[in-house]
Amino acid sequence: EVKLVESGGGLVQPGGSLRLSCATSGFTFTDYYMSWVRQPPGKALEWLGFIRNKANGYTTEYSASVKGRFTISRDNSQSILYLQMNTLRAEDSATYYCARRDFDYWGQGTTLTVSS
Amino acid sequence: DIQMTQSPSSLSASLGERVSLTCRASQDIGSSLNWLQQEPDGTIKRLIYATSSLDSGVPKRFSGSRSGSDYSLTISSLESEDFVDYYCLQYASSPLTFGAGTKLELK
Repeated sequence: EVKLVESGGGLVQPGGSLRLSCATSGFTFTDYYMSWVRQPPGKALEWLGFIRNKANGYTTEYSASVKGRFTISRDNSQSILYLQMNTLRAEDSATYYCARRDFDYWGQGTTLTVSS
Repeated sequence: DIQMTQSPSSLSASLGERVSLTCRASQDIGSSLNWLQQEPDGTIKRLIYATSSLDSGVPKRFSGSRSGSDYSLTISSLESEDFVDYYCLQYASSPLTFGAGTKLELK
């Protein structure tokens, strides 16, 4: 059974940093691109970026809104996806989801609040 | 960037009614479109992939289609559990983009 479980959300002050994790199981992690998506309260889903699979060199792509501040990485030995978020702003407050490449499986989300 | 214009933003409908939601792509995305369903607790589920392929376990009352740059999700006969939020997602090119969502409400 495919599972994706996010963790690491919480309350962070503006300008702070946080790393989210997405623990996966039930599939060959290195075969898949993995994405991060977020949803501010009451708003639409927003794609943040993805990290490619082994065959494509684990390279990354980002949305313009987070490029340079957020970094997606993966620990292939433990099948964990990460989202490192720096210089956080109030507008980064959202529920953050990880999803498998084709968006066929999603985690349950973890919530970040950026506030002083 | 490819813009996905989703309509309507909300839709009030009755049990048993047939409804269609639409996403219009600002550029050619071919068949690279998914439809997603989001429950009130935040759970997200893919319903349709590659424009018209039904995901395993998804009821056959859901269907996807394309006419030019317009992509549609049709629910043939609404059931109570269908009154949630729906999003389209294009994955033809980066950045991937979502529609703004449709909230389906019980009339």
